[in-house]
Amino acid sequence: DVKVTQSSRYLVKRTGEKVFLECVQDMDHENMFWYRQDPGLGLRLIYFSYDVKMKEKGDIPEGYSVSREKKERFSLILESASTNQTSMYLCASSSGGQSSGANVLTFGAGSRLTVL
Amino acid sequence: DAKTTQPTSMDCAEGRAANLPCNHSTISGNEYVYWYRQIHSQGPQYIIHGLKNNETNEMASLIITEDRKSSTLILPHATLRDTAVYYCIVRVPLDLIGNEKLTFGTGTRLTIIP
Repeated sequence: DVKVTQSSRYLVKRTGEKVFLECVQDMDHENMFWYRQDPGLGLRLIYFSYDVKMKEKGDIPEGYSVSREKKERFSLILESASTNQTSMYLCASSSGGQSSGANVLTFGAGSRLTVL
Repeated sequence: DAKTTQPTSMDCAEGRAANLPCNHSTISGNEYVYWYRQIHSQGPQYIIHGLKNNETNEMASLIITEDRKSSTLILPHATLRDTAVYYCIVRVPLDLIGNEKLTFGTGTRLTIIP
């Protein structure tokens, strides 16, 4: 069964800590995405990547960075966590390309981060 | 970017067809409509997508109006497990080779009533 795996389901961190959220996909997908989800705001795109070592800002990149050193792994980094970054973080991937199904997203289960 | 508008919430009786509407009046000619759903505490799950014609798969049917300004997702025989938030989104092209990002709104919270 193909999947997107997020390393931590629940995390609790303190303000100012550096936080790494890891995401691994086993589908050989080209594209990977990080979203955050907050009540009343839906899913908002933080960063995405459509190739190894490539990254693009999404709608809310401030306070975040990403790393994609290998095709299957896409990491979200909070350099100095703040309380307003308490949220559910969702990783997704898609195969990419021009066919109609190439950009169907497969999501991970999510990582719920609490910053105290 | 094409935006979508969905009702905030809907109820449907178990065993009946659930019809979830979506307006996307600014959609452009080459943009697909995608539907996902999210069951509590899980990541969103893909349901179906379409461009112009109606589509059907094992989960649902998608009806797109001729002018493509709106669509309806149909769950033909709703069960309690279909209780979820349903997202209607449109594809925003990223670059010339077809890669894209999908922007999610707040969706419709569908509750199936026993």
